[in-house]
Amino acid sequence: QVQLAQSGGEVKKPGASVKVSCKASGYTFNVYYLHWVRQAPGQGLEWMAWINPNTGGTEYAHKFQGRVTVTRDTSISSAYLDLSGLRSDDTAVYYCARGGQGRQGPIAYWGQGTLVTVSS
Amino acid sequence: QSALTQPASVSGSPGQSITISCTGTTSDIGTYNYVSWYQQHPGRAPKLLISEVSYRPSGVSNRFSGSKSGVTASLTISGLQAEDEAKYFCSSWTSSSTLEWVFGGGTQLTVL
Repeated sequence: QVQLAQSGGEVKKPGASVKVSCKASGYTFNVYYLHWVRQAPGQGLEWMAWINPNTGGTEYAHKFQGRVTVTRDTSISSAYLDLSGLRSDDTAVYYCARGGQGRQGPIAYWGQGTLVTVSS
Repeated sequence: QSALTQPASVSGSPGQSITISCTGTTSDIGTYNYVSWYQQHPGRAPKLLISEVSYRPSGVSNRFSGSKSGVTASLTISGLQAEDEAKYFCSSWTSSSTLEWVFGGGTQLTVL
């Protein structure tokens, strides 16, 4: 079955960077887009980025451009989210999620989430 | 402020039907049939209920159904059950800035 296993929670100071990993299993990694979505405490979902694992091509939400980088390592079926210049309002649960074979395919499978806390 | 607008809360009694609306624009729901609905219980990851406006993935109860008219999508839950109490989010593909997904702010469903 499709599984997305994310790295553990992080506590960071303002201005720092964080890297969250997502290891996929149960399907052919290169075939499906991977998305990153975050959820601040008690808030809604916010799409951040997608990556095409086959080509490495990415798209970032306008709000995060310049601060976010998404990469992948196909040899270990993993994707990574790098977020820099952390602020207190970046405190959120960060999810990786598998989309479809095209960028418009539904985001159907979600990782367990990684809580990133930004605090001085 | 979320890109898609949902009511903050809805409620219903067991056995009843409820509908949650999701209003977007001509850059998203009004143009594309890539509308999804998710259910999220506290402390859990979202679960896909509906994709492409009205398609129900395998394993999702047929009590959940989706539709769209103009710039508004809707999720209907029939035969409400206690386990349906959760937060529901809509999402849509959009071409408003980058080519990306946008979400609604979520609707809390209370089963009375």
